[in-house]
Amino acid sequence: DAKTTQPTSMDCAEGRAANLPCNHSTISGNEYVYWYRQIHSQGPQYIIHGLKNNETNEMASLIITEDRKSSTLILPHATLRDTAVYYCIVRVGHSNSGYALNFGKGTSLLVTP
Amino acid sequence: DAGVIQSPRHEVTEMGQEVTLRCKPISGHNSLFWYRQTMMRGLELLIYFNNNVPIDDSGMPEDRFSAKMPNASFSTLKIQPSEPRDSAVYFCASSFSGGSTDTQYFGPGTRLTVL
Repeated sequence: DAKTTQPTSMDCAEGRAANLPCNHSTISGNEYVYWYRQIHSQGPQYIIHGLKNNETNEMASLIITEDRKSSTLILPHATLRDTAVYYCIVRVGHSNSGYALNFGKGTSLLVTP
Repeated sequence: DAGVIQSPRHEVTEMGQEVTLRCKPISGHNSLFWYRQTMMRGLELLIYFNNNVPIDDSGMPEDRFSAKMPNASFSTLKIQPSEPRDSAVYFCASSFSGGSTDTQYFGPGTRLTVL
């Protein structure tokens, strides 16, 4: 799996957009970018994933650069409940026999009132 | 759907005792994963199964740890004998592998304290 680099921590004001960057300069052509988050004392939660096109769902948007060496997760209107550790993970898109996740240290996002 | 179910949610035991953690994956999922989370090491994979067969157990710390998946709806992680350094939160996750993507869904975890 390609290695990812994320800032250790970030702050964001409630109601503003939270932009969480991730570098993955060694990503391979068949590897996807996945984002999970972990709210305190809960299990990790899937947010979004993408290969090369930008993706959007009800939780967030994922912007992947054209060279695919970096990406940004965008929470358009952050709320206090978005305070969590956000993990950027690079892995193959799917496997018939399953594929484990390498979580790394993630970015601790603090949303403030 | 009830999601991934883990039991117990909290377990406190004394060093040397046997501990059994349980997991019920989401119905229809064919891959099951056991992760452990500590402050020092973060989230790390212990073992995962596909179609009830262990695929990768390289993360299992030592022979004190064992995991089974006797059927598609149940898995156990056993520690015998337990040690204080086993204190951690243990997460179970499941996914359906074989489609276009295999997103993993996590349970609430079991917080284990070994005194």
